[in-house]
Amino acid sequence: DAGVTQSPTHLIKTRGQQVTLRCSPKSGHDTVSWYQQALGQGPQFIFQYYEEEERQRGNFPDRFSGHQFPNYSSELNVNALLLGDSALYLCASSLGGVLFAGELFFGEGSRLTVL
Amino acid sequence: GQQVMQIPQYQHVQEGEDFTTYCNSSTTLSNIQWYKQRPGGHPVFLIQLVKSGEVKKQKRLTFQFGEAKKNSSLHITATQTTDVGTYFCAGMDNYGQNFVFGPGTRLSVLP
Repeated sequence: DAGVTQSPTHLIKTRGQQVTLRCSPKSGHDTVSWYQQALGQGPQFIFQYYEEEERQRGNFPDRFSGHQFPNYSSELNVNALLLGDSALYLCASSLGGVLFAGELFFGEGSRLTVL
Repeated sequence: GQQVMQIPQYQHVQEGEDFTTYCNSSTTLSNIQWYKQRPGGHPVFLIQLVKSGEVKKQKRLTFQFGEAKKNSSLHITATQTTDVGTYFCAGMDNYGQNFVFGPGTRLSVLP
C-alpha cells in the first residue's frame, strides 16, 4: 500500500521563477492538503483540495495555486518566487474532505530553495 | 485567527529522564492531534484527542486534553534515543476545517 508520494524531493529555483510540486495521496484517500514548513517552524496550512476543488485556504497569497486531478493527485504551483518561499512543502492526504478531521498522512516533502 | 503555541521550544534530556511539552490554543478546540517529526523527516501522526479532559496512553507516551479544550500536553516517561525529534500539536477549532500546527518542541536525548 503506497503512502503519500511527492516529487521532486529537492529543487533549486531563482527569484521570479515558477515551480510546480506534485503529490499522490495514500491509496483510498480523496483529500489533499498542502503545508509550507520553514526551517525550524511548524507546518503552515496553504490549502486543501477535495473533489477537484479548493475547499479551504490558509493565509497565503494568490501566487500559490493548486489543482486536484480526477485520480485525487494534486499539484501546487508557486509563481514569482521570492527568497522567503524557500521551505519544505508537505503534502498531506486524508479521507472525507472538510467533514473529516482525522489523521493526516504526510509525504516526505519537496525541499525548495530559492536563490 | 487561531494561534497555537508550544513550550518549551527546545528540551535536552539525559536518556531515562522524563519529558513534557505543552500546547496552548488561543481558541477552544474541537480536537487536537500530536505529530512527531524526526530530523530530516516528515510529520507522523501520534494521536488525536477529542473529549474534554481526555487522557490517552501509548506505551511511554501520555497525552492529555485540557478541561477547557484549549490546552494539551505530551509526557514521555524514561526517554530513549529513539524519542529524538520535534513534537507538534495541531489543533482544529470549532469553525475551521483545517489543523493549525504549533511551532513544535525539539527534543534531544543524550545517551
